Amino acid sequence: GDSVTQMEGPVTLSEEAFLTINCTYTATGYPSLFWYVQYPGEGLQLLLKATKADDKGSNKGFEATYRKETTSFHLEKGSVQVSDSAVYFCALSAGTGGYNKLIFGAGTRLAVHP
Amino acid sequence: DGGITQSPKYLFRKEGQNVTLSCEQNLNHDAMYWYRQDPGQGLRLIYYSQIVNDFQKGDIAEGYSVSREKKESFPLTVTSAQKNPTAFYLCASSIGFKNEQYFGPGTRLTVT
Repeated sequence: GDSVTQMEGPVTLSEEAFLTINCTYTATGYPSLFWYVQYPGEGLQLLLKATKADDKGSNKGFEATYRKETTSFHLEKGSVQVSDSAVYFCALSAGTGGYNKLIFGAGTRLAVHP
Repeated sequence: DGGITQSPKYLFRKEGQNVTLSCEQNLNHDAMYWYRQDPGQGLRLIYYSQIVNDFQKGDIAEGYSVSREKKESFPLTVTSAQKNPTAFYLCASSIGFKNEQYFGPGTRLTVT
């Protein structure tokens, strides 16, 4: 069945370091792909999305490119800040018919130190 | 401001009691969802609803029940039949099923 695999955390970085969080997926059909962020004790916020191959989603300095050939949607940011510390979830929306199920990865915790 | 509200933020219950978690949205979204999140894990779908008076079981519906009497509201009842009810519960909504979902702030339920 459809699934999402994320790199295990925690990822620990110093402020201004480059961030990559890997995400690969397995899906039939042509899924839409998402990155969500969850700050401590809060719900999930949509960070960015891509709906077809080669699309690049971007928001708040984060980027991810939908790579169909490698079934990947890696999250990147050029210079992280302490305020980026959170848990990041990769997700896909796929299926046929009227309902597209949202399938989440297990999440990757990011800790950024000054 | 439009959004999704969940109340209360923290909820404590004794084992054997039913408890209802509130979810309200003013985004005019048709679809609503309930997820469960356990520590260090991703989200698992409990129930979802496409339209008023209609809802479907998700992956882990046993021990839970829902209603959808109004477009804006999708309350979740955690029954005494749920074996491990302590968790963080998240409500979400979307314009349609092919669109991204927007989440509420969550309710942390502790059952002792």
